Amino acid sequence: NAGVTQTPKFQVLKTGQSMTLQCAQDMNHEYMSWYRQDPGMGLRLIHYSVGAGITDQGEVPNGYNVSRSTTEDFPLRLLSAAPSQTSVYFCASSYAGSNTEAFFGQGTRLTVV
Amino acid sequence: AQSVTQPDIHITVSEGASLELRCNYSYGATPYLFWYVQSPGQGLQLLLKYFSGDTLVQGIKGFEAEFKRSQSSFNLRKPSVHWSDAAEYFCAVGGGSQGNLIFGKGTKLSVKP
Repeated sequence: NAGVTQTPKFQVLKTGQSMTLQCAQDMNHEYMSWYRQDPGMGLRLIHYSVGAGITDQGEVPNGYNVSRSTTEDFPLRLLSAAPSQTSVYFCASSYAGSNTEAFFGQGTRLTVV
Repeated sequence: AQSVTQPDIHITVSEGASLELRCNYSYGATPYLFWYVQSPGQGLQLLLKYFSGDTLVQGIKGFEAEFKRSQSSFNLRKPSVHWSDAAEYFCAVGGGSQGNLIFGKGTKLSVKP
């Protein structure tokens, strides 16, 4: 069972570079979300989607873009990386939002130098 | 606004001792409550959840949690801790209009032999 798959696991970027973090789920979940995890801050919601073609901002959306063209995929784009975006990024999916279990990927550790 | 407070940043217990991790939430309606565990370098795994009904819920790995509405608390307990329980534990509340989860900042558990 694949569940939620994130790629890459590790990435180093230079300031100003762009990249896309990939997230795919094979559970036919409607709800997908991206979080960032920083020491002492817990997990903070970046963007989320309640279904294909529908996205919205979370708590810390600045500097990130998302799209949801299919139910399975929910990529996160960094348009111009900044050192403040050094973090661990988690993608999650659930059947119907916060009243059901969220399944998390293994995370992407991103360093911006 | 919804929020989750985990008052203890770091707890150390001896193997075999009992454990209680505290969680307080702020939410206007009946909350959906979750505890997740994160082992080093891993994603988050659901330990247990509370939606309604019996206020004492059982989870995986021998954990349980009790919902106390009067105290706005959802504390996690385990009667006898094993060395493999060393991890970071996150309490989360859900139920918002868009179904987002709000996480606490986490409690790191260390286990002494």
